[in-house]
Amino acid sequence: KAGVTQTPRYLIKTRGQQVTLSCSPISGHRSVSWYQQTPGQGLQFLFEYFSETQRNKGNFPGRFSGRQFSNSRSEMNVSTLELGDSALYLCASSFRQGLATNEKLFFGSGTQLSVL
Amino acid sequence: DAKTTQPTSMDCAEGRAANLPCNHSTISGNEYVYWYRQIHSQGPQYIIHGLKNNETNEMASLIITEDRKSSTLILPHATLRDTAVYYCIVKTTSGTYKYIFGTGTRLKVLA
Repeated sequence: KAGVTQTPRYLIKTRGQQVTLSCSPISGHRSVSWYQQTPGQGLQFLFEYFSETQRNKGNFPGRFSGRQFSNSRSEMNVSTLELGDSALYLCASSFRQGLATNEKLFFGSGTQLSVL
Repeated sequence: DAKTTQPTSMDCAEGRAANLPCNHSTISGNEYVYWYRQIHSQGPQYIIHGLKNNETNEMASLIITEDRKSSTLILPHATLRDTAVYYCIVKTTSGTYKYIFGTGTRLKVLA
């Protein structure tokens, strides 16, 4: 079956703009979590959604938000972009609430965001 | 949350076993050890996880010490395609749930 799909693959924005990233989980998976990866900070957890509700959140400012739809697809939004938001944004899916169980995560290939 | 310590980089000859160590001396009783790897330009890929017993699957073996303060991921016959960054993570299934990935070990398999 198809893996986790993230769109777009690459994105270039300027400071102050906002951006929306999309993640389609593996069919049947109900949990989606988001991560930011930068060379300096590595992989950092943003938030997790399960059954359209945010279940857990990392230490990121309120400019980072997300939502999940009834078909489990998820979007992540970053408002008022800063240069430091340039990163690879990854989403991962699992059948059950991945972070609260022993479910393994399936990651997408990510969206590479560049903020100029 | 328990933190992990891994060597920054390692080399391994193709066809030989790659042994990747991980220190997690502050691990608590309900925290699992997970291993993921990330090949350049791709998302992390799950390899294996365990609580206290050694585990083996088609990709690798996980050896956890009796005191659970460290573990070793073993790739029995490394190939060039195993060149990647390997992350050792400890994760609880209670309280605040999150993965803390750390900086990982950059494994280079040499021909």
